[in-house]
Amino acid sequence: GEDVEQSLFLSVREGDSSVINCTYTDSSSTYLYWYKQEPGAGLQLLTYIFSNMDMKQDQRLTVLLNKKDKHLSLRIADTQTGDSAIYFCAEKQGAQKLVFGQGTRLTINP
Amino acid sequence: DAGITQSPRHKVTETGTPVTLRCHQTENHRYMYWYRQDPGHGLRLIHYSYGVKDTDKGEVSDGYSVSRSKTEDFLLTLESATSSQTSVYFCAISENTVGYEQYFGPGTRLTVT
Repeated sequence: GEDVEQSLFLSVREGDSSVINCTYTDSSSTYLYWYKQEPGAGLQLLTYIFSNMDMKQDQRLTVLLNKKDKHLSLRIADTQTGDSAIYFCAEKQGAQKLVFGQGTRLTINP
Repeated sequence: DAGITQSPRHKVTETGTPVTLRCHQTENHRYMYWYRQDPGHGLRLIHYSYGVKDTDKGEVSDGYSVSRSKTEDFLLTLESATSSQTSVYFCAISENTVGYEQYFGPGTRLTVT
């Protein structure tokens, strides 16, 4: 499948906004997803966006999609210590398959 | 974890031995998946199932087989484990909902010595 790329690390101060970026290459993707993984746990679905949307907001989370540049971002407002985790973006390819990025480890500094 | 359990949660085995991992769901979802997670690779699809007895290969299927005899159970078998199969294995489920979301189990950490 096509590759999904993410930066591996992001460090922010508590209370600031975090922006996690992702690029994908399959222009036919219909859905894109953000998952959160805490240490020793499985992946928790945070949100998803349909490819005909530019933005989706859900409480502290804002997803932006630039389909022309194949760029997806996740903004977390007022970042808290509980937001420390690895964040994965994924794109739907074909009927049921998801292709994941490598994950971005978010660290919160007090 | 959306009614998904995996067993065992941890296993250490020796090279060359057979290993079977089990995924059990209580959601009656049609689709089930096995992924492996390795540092620097994110999650990679091993096999998936789109119904009882209906399975297909993912991108890293070599050395693995699967079976699904009931809607609720999806088994992953390593016929002869190798050290390269040391990994964390995740099961996921999905249904034909609007977003085709996949929901993940807690994972099985497998170490092959």
